[in-house]
Amino acid sequence: TQLLEQSPQFLSIQEGENLTVYCNSSSVFSSLQWYRQEPGEGPVLLVTVVTGGEVKKLKRLTFQFGDARKDSSLHITAAQTGDTGLYLCAGGSYNQGGKLIFGQGTELSVKP
Amino acid sequence: NAGVTQTPKFQVLKTGQSMTLQCAQDMNHEYMSWYRQDPGMGLRLIHYSVGAGITDQGEVPNGYNVSRSTTEDFPLRLLSAAPSQTSVYFCASSQTIIGGELFFGEGSRLTVL
Repeated sequence: TQLLEQSPQFLSIQEGENLTVYCNSSSVFSSLQWYRQEPGEGPVLLVTVVTGGEVKKLKRLTFQFGDARKDSSLHITAAQTGDTGLYLCAGGSYNQGGKLIFGQGTELSVKP
Repeated sequence: NAGVTQTPKFQVLKTGQSMTLQCAQDMNHEYMSWYRQDPGMGLRLIHYSVGAGITDQGEVPNGYNVSRSTTEDFPLRLLSAAPSQTSVYFCASSQTIIGGELFFGEGSRLTVL
């Protein structure tokens, strides 16, 4: 059974601080995605990474896929109050068919 | 621009009752899935489908049935509701099985008394 462990589960920081969220597994994934969810809505895709060691940037957000494709990180530089939300990593692999599984999520609160 | 449409948005059931959560997508996506979301547990995969006529179990399939008779629709059935099934349910669809963007519905909040 594939599992994705996210840490930390909760994060409360001041505006302007940097933060990193981690997503770890003992399994290899063909692709790993990060989603952001706001209260009362479904998650929305931020990024997909498919190559070991891959780094993608989305404005102040930097995503990295581990070399062995078992882990990923999300780094936010100079957090803003608008970054507040639930961040979820999700992984899928071809040898698991169509199963896309999610981590437990990281609830981020950025205070002004 | 409907995307993924889930109904109902809210439902209260008594233990033992049955109901169907409806999910429809208008993007001609082959892949559809149902997740439940509980506090501190992220999204857990209930059932998924890689195309019409094909369904498979996810992480937490017990107590739920699905069918996929058309590309567009993927209903989730609770045959005998239990309080443990109180949750927020999300339907999602994607153009590709692996690595494709999952498009989610707005969610259905189910309470079982």
